[in-house]
Amino acid sequence: EAQVTQNPRYLITVTGKKLTVTCSQNMNHEYMSWYRQDPGLGLRQIYYSMNVEVTDKGDVPEGYKVSRKEKRNFPLILESPSPNQTSLYFCASSRGGFTDTQYFGPGTRLTVL
Amino acid sequence: KQEVTQIPAALSVPEGENLVLNCSFTDSAIYNLQWFRQDPGKGLTSLLLIQSSQREQTSGRLNASLDKSSGRSTLYIAASQPGDSATYLCAVRWGGFKTIFGAGTRLFVKA
Repeated sequence: EAQVTQNPRYLITVTGKKLTVTCSQNMNHEYMSWYRQDPGLGLRQIYYSMNVEVTDKGDVPEGYKVSRKEKRNFPLILESPSPNQTSLYFCASSRGGFTDTQYFGPGTRLTVL
Repeated sequence: KQEVTQIPAALSVPEGENLVLNCSFTDSAIYNLQWFRQDPGKGLTSLLLIQSSQREQTSGRLNASLDKSSGRSTLYIAASQPGDSATYLCAVRWGGFKTIFGAGTRLFVKA
């Protein structure tokens, strides 16, 4: 089944404790992206990647890191999480081209205390 | 600055009514525009994608139109049903893979 998977789905952590949220897709998609969703602010793009080793900042990259060492994986790294990073995070992928529908993962709900 | 706005923020209609959701965007040099549905506490489900060169797309009771010159897209839902109750999101993609979402329209269809 074609899908985007994220792990963990739920995470409660404390300020300053490094964490990684994994994202994997099995559709051989070129593009991958991370978003955060906050009440009243909608979804905002954090980082995106157009191919292996090619990443770029979205609208809200501060406090996040990403890497794209393999085509299928695009982990989101919070080196020193803070309470303002409490949010619902979504990973997405797409094939590329004008008809590139974005496929979304199920989301990761992160709480930073 | 590229921005995406959705109006109305919330909408409540009786079952069977036809309705229109609006999405407007600055900077008409878009790559494509995609409409999503999101149920409470769930992920996003893609409904329709319109390429920059297209004027509309249809899927079942849904029809999405695009007018790049005026920076607008509409999602038309025919014969609404209680199962259509959800938040509808519009996402606009510009060059590269930069994507901006609107804040969404929360729809409630009363039985």
